[in-house]
Amino acid sequence: EDQVTQSPEALRLQEGESSSLNCSYTVSGLRGLFWYRQDPGKGPEFLFTLYSAGEEKEKERLKATLTKKESFLHITAPKPEDSATYLCAAREGFQKLVFGTGTRLLVSP
Amino acid sequence: NAGVTQTPKFQVLKTGQSMTLQCAQDMNHEYMSWYRQDPGMGLRLIHYSVGAGITDQGEVPNGYNVSRSTTEDFPLRLLSAAPSQTSVYFCASSYSATGGYEQYFGPGTRLTVT
Repeated sequence: EDQVTQSPEALRLQEGESSSLNCSYTVSGLRGLFWYRQDPGKGPEFLFTLYSAGEEKEKERLKATLTKKESFLHITAPKPEDSATYLCAAREGFQKLVFGTGTRLLVSP
Repeated sequence: NAGVTQTPKFQVLKTGQSMTLQCAQDMNHEYMSWYRQDPGMGLRLIHYSVGAGITDQGEVPNGYNVSRSTTEDFPLRLLSAAPSQTSVYFCASSYSATGGYEQYFGPGTRLTVT
């Protein structure tokens, strides 16, 4: 069964304290690994797509990486405005997109 | 460019009532989809459409109907609401029906069925 598991469920950081979020997947024939940010009461906002192992993408304080079994979202020197839920999703084949349950990140000043 | 819009933002229904959640996009996207988001569960696909006149079922289609008469609009109909349909509903669209193109989500509709 295709699965996407995110850890930890929740993470509390101090401003400036770097860390990583994990997304492990068991989707065969991966056709894209997606990261989204979701703020309370809003829809998910697209961050990155990764297609192949070894690929990396960066945006401001965020960097996403991909291996054959997992993806990491590295947050460097986070700020309070980075507080949100981060969702990971894996696409297998045509149309099938499997989402994880997310990591709730809280960055305290 | 408004992106993906959804109405209403909030809705309360009684068991057995029907209603339509509206979704529209102005990006000329080919692919549109409906998800529901429940606590402790990932977003789950209800129905999707790869173009006007073409729809198909996702992971949790029971109790929902869709149609796609235009590229822009993709309404979701609840036929006879049940408490199990209490959830937050998101509409999403993407440029292509194939490949790994990212999806853009609307702001969501929070539905409560009593």
